[in-house]
Amino acid sequence: KAGVTQTPRYLIKTRGQQVTLSCSPISGHRSVSWYQQTPGQGLQFLFEYFSETQRNKGNFPGRFSGRQFSNSRSEMNVSTLELGDSALYLCASSFETSGRVGQETQYFGPGTRLLVL
Amino acid sequence: GENVEQHPSTLSVQEGDSAVIKCTYSDSASNYFPWYKQELGKGPQLIIDIRSNVGEKKDQRIAVTLNKTAKHFSLHITETQPEDSAVYFCAASWRTDKLIFGTGTRLQVFP
Repeated sequence: KAGVTQTPRYLIKTRGQQVTLSCSPISGHRSVSWYQQTPGQGLQFLFEYFSETQRNKGNFPGRFSGRQFSNSRSEMNVSTLELGDSALYLCASSFETSGRVGQETQYFGPGTRLLVL
Repeated sequence: GENVEQHPSTLSVQEGDSAVIKCTYSDSASNYFPWYKQELGKGPQLIIDIRSNVGEKKDQRIAVTLNKTAKHFSLHITETQPEDSAVYFCAASWRTDKLIFGTGTRLQVFP
């Protein structure tokens, strides 16, 4: 099975712009989570989607948003970019069965490295 | 709020020696404790995980122990090899799709 894929792998933007990152989960996985990784703050949870619905949200400003499509692919968007948004954005997916909500192993993609100038 | 502390931040060992990384968590509702290995330019890769109904789990050279009373868990790597060099992250949560991560340990294994 192919792993989690993320596009693009690298991105350079300037302050004030917006950016959209894409994530394709492992085939059959319907839960997709997003994390931000920075040297200062480490790995922080952004949000999680299941069946096109946001189920969980971390402590990030409203400039960070996401969505999930019917094929479980997910996108996250950051508007009005700030220098501090420079980070590695990681997507993870898990296979969820009825009765085991939030109990299955998460598998991470390689990430999208965003640099804001 | 929920917090996971991880120590040490860096660890250097000689090839063949053992390495131990320790984590403590604050949320008593946590029942899932995975360990991820991240190599340069790659995403985190799950190496082992443990749930709260188990005190210890082993997979070849890797083992994890959990003490729920003290809210701490540890990763043990025996017979370390140069390819074990990477950054290791512990995490804790009551659900697998919303992990709270530790700050990471950079492990260096010298030949």
